[in-house]
Amino acid sequence: AQSVSQHNHHVILSEAASLELGCNYSYGGTVNLFWYVQYPGQHLQLLLKYFSGDPLVKGIKGFEAEFIKSKFSFNLRKPSVQWSDTAEYFCAGRDYRDDKIIFGKGTRLHILP
Amino acid sequence: KAGVTQTPRYLIKTRGQQVTLSCSPISGHRSVSWYQQTPGQGLQFLFEYFSETQRNKGNFPGRFSGRQFSNSRSEMNVSTLELGDSALYLCASSSSSGGSDEQYFGPGTRLTVT
Repeated sequence: AQSVSQHNHHVILSEAASLELGCNYSYGGTVNLFWYVQYPGQHLQLLLKYFSGDPLVKGIKGFEAEFIKSKFSFNLRKPSVQWSDTAEYFCAGRDYRDDKIIFGKGTRLHILP
Repeated sequence: KAGVTQTPRYLIKTRGQQVTLSCSPISGHRSVSWYQQTPGQGLQFLFEYFSETQRNKGNFPGRFSGRQFSNSRSEMNVSTLELGDSALYLCASSSSSGGSDEQYFGPGTRLTVT
């Protein structure tokens, strides 16, 4: 079965540190990949998405992710985090074969001021 | 545009009861997907409706069912509630089906089964 794996369940960083959250998917074919964020008390919202083309995707609030097909990875990065980035981050993937979006279990990011 | 709305926001039910949750998508969106969110499992896909038809479903027992109306509003029903059904139930709407576009999430319904 298709799956999306997020390597870290909890990450704690200080402000201005660099961030990389890991995400691996198990699909072999064409995929759409997403990162969603859930800030405390708010709805899930889209950070960025990859459908095709340039494997380096830029999203809102300075986030970016790189699709590396050979590694089945779609890691989320930000060069310098802020306290306001404290949230839960979800990686998700869609396999064209069955049209379902599968979410990872999420990574809780806590930024120390 | 108004966002995705879900009612009720909070529910407390007893084991064995049934519950119906409601979701109103963003105007013009015809796809509605439902997810169960729990701390240990993250978001798990329940089902997707598009133009009143169930397009896809996840690996949940038949106690979980849903439907979509002609105005794209959707309801989700859980019968014979179990303690393990306690979760945040999220609804997401999209302009196209099958996850081929961004999904917009509602605030969720927090269901507690006692």
